[in-house]
Amino acid sequence: RKEVEQDPGPFNVPEGATVAFNCTYSNSASQSFFWYRQDCRKEPKLLMSVYSSGNEDGRFTAQLNRASQYISLLIRDSKLSDSATYLCVVRPAGGTSYGKLTFGQGTILTVHP
Amino acid sequence: DTAVSQTPKYLVTQMGNDKSIKCEQNLGHDTMYWYKQDSKKFLKIMFSYNNKELIINETVPNRFSPKSPDKAHLNLHINSLELGDSAVYFCASSQGLNPDTQYFGPGTRLTVL
Repeated sequence: RKEVEQDPGPFNVPEGATVAFNCTYSNSASQSFFWYRQDCRKEPKLLMSVYSSGNEDGRFTAQLNRASQYISLLIRDSKLSDSATYLCVVRPAGGTSYGKLTFGQGTILTVHP
Repeated sequence: DTAVSQTPKYLVTQMGNDKSIKCEQNLGHDTMYWYKQDSKKFLKIMFSYNNKELIINETVPNRFSPKSPDKAHLNLHINSLELGDSAVYFCASSQGLNPDTQYFGPGTRLTVL
């Protein structure tokens, strides 16, 4: 089983749509969770951290369910500029994790007019 | 100003050759990383250095040798290149060993013929 699993998509949605991505992780000792965004042929960039209580940043909402080892990202009112690959990222607890991030393979989103 | 820079951006070479990729960050961070993103888009950590000391060394062939001359630089030398080494190599940096954010360079696209 992969450490971080995502539905690779692709998701093709019209502008204005709401789209949700899911992610599961296998290491129950994982401490920190993130969504990164990677545009085509570009580097990954942090989109948002994911907190236990859930958090929102504008049109983006992230949620974490530790019991189910499940992370989600909801994008409301999709824009053309949201087209990218969304990477679910997990970091184990401290100790020897030393900043080691484990990436999912990414979910491809295409928003069309 | 580019925060994390890599050279070269593209590298095309023959099997068996030796090549180097250079990375520099001007963010004042103390930790730097090398990641490999293969054709299936999985991004996997290879190495990390904290204050010039090797911290993470994932299961990587010893043909790959990182070198950190100072905190702002982390270079990657690859000996005896193989077809399977073809990938995009990303350098990243962060402050501390368990940061919330890692900042990625633009990537070096290596093609081994």
